[in-house]
Amino acid sequence: ETGVTQSPTHLIKTRGQQVTLRCSSQSGHNTVSWYQQALGQGPQFIFQYYREEENGRGNFPPRFSGLQFPNYSSELNVNALELDDSALYLCASSLVSQVNVLTFGAGSRLTVL
Amino acid sequence: GDSVTQMEGPVTLSEEAFLTINCTYTATGYPSLFWYVQYPGEGLQLLLKATKADDKGSNKGFEATYRKETTSFHLEKGSVQVSDSAVYFCALRGKTSYDKVIFGPGTSLSVIP
Repeated sequence: ETGVTQSPTHLIKTRGQQVTLRCSSQSGHNTVSWYQQALGQGPQFIFQYYREEENGRGNFPPRFSGLQFPNYSSELNVNALELDDSALYLCASSLVSQVNVLTFGAGSRLTVL
Repeated sequence: GDSVTQMEGPVTLSEEAFLTINCTYTATGYPSLFWYVQYPGEGLQLLLKATKADDKGSNKGFEATYRKETTSFHLEKGSVQVSDSAVYFCALRGKTSYDKVIFGPGTSLSVIP
């Protein structure tokens, strides 16, 4: 098993900028989901992708968007960054046939100034 | 909507003490229930899970029983160690592959020698 890797681990942006976070899913995992974890809080579901299509979304505005690629990698894009977007962004992958087995990456820590 | 409530932390225990972290949930149907652990600077790791009523999940000395009648999934360990110091998240997920994982706010545990 290769696990889930995320990049970058830390980054700093300013308000209004755009950011792309990347995730390499565990080999063979065809479902990827993204979560936002604000400091001191539990992760909040952003969206999920299966076979390169979004199939579930949480209460996040459209400026949060994503992509999933055939090689099991994925991206989270956030436009027009706001201060409240500062958080740890977690990627999790799974097999659609094993919905209860999520493997999380270590996350990307985004700071918006 | 579905939700998870956990006891507030932080919780500080002496080594070898008994641990209980309370978790209750609100959900339609019969979700799967989880405990995740997050060590400092790391992503989430699945600690244990239970997929139906009266199931007991266990791992590394931790246990939790799915109680449908009280909508609870309390985490217990008979003798904690310093290495158990982490943040613990209770979570639920519906039965389909489209269902998101809903996390509680987390309970921080510190175990002192």
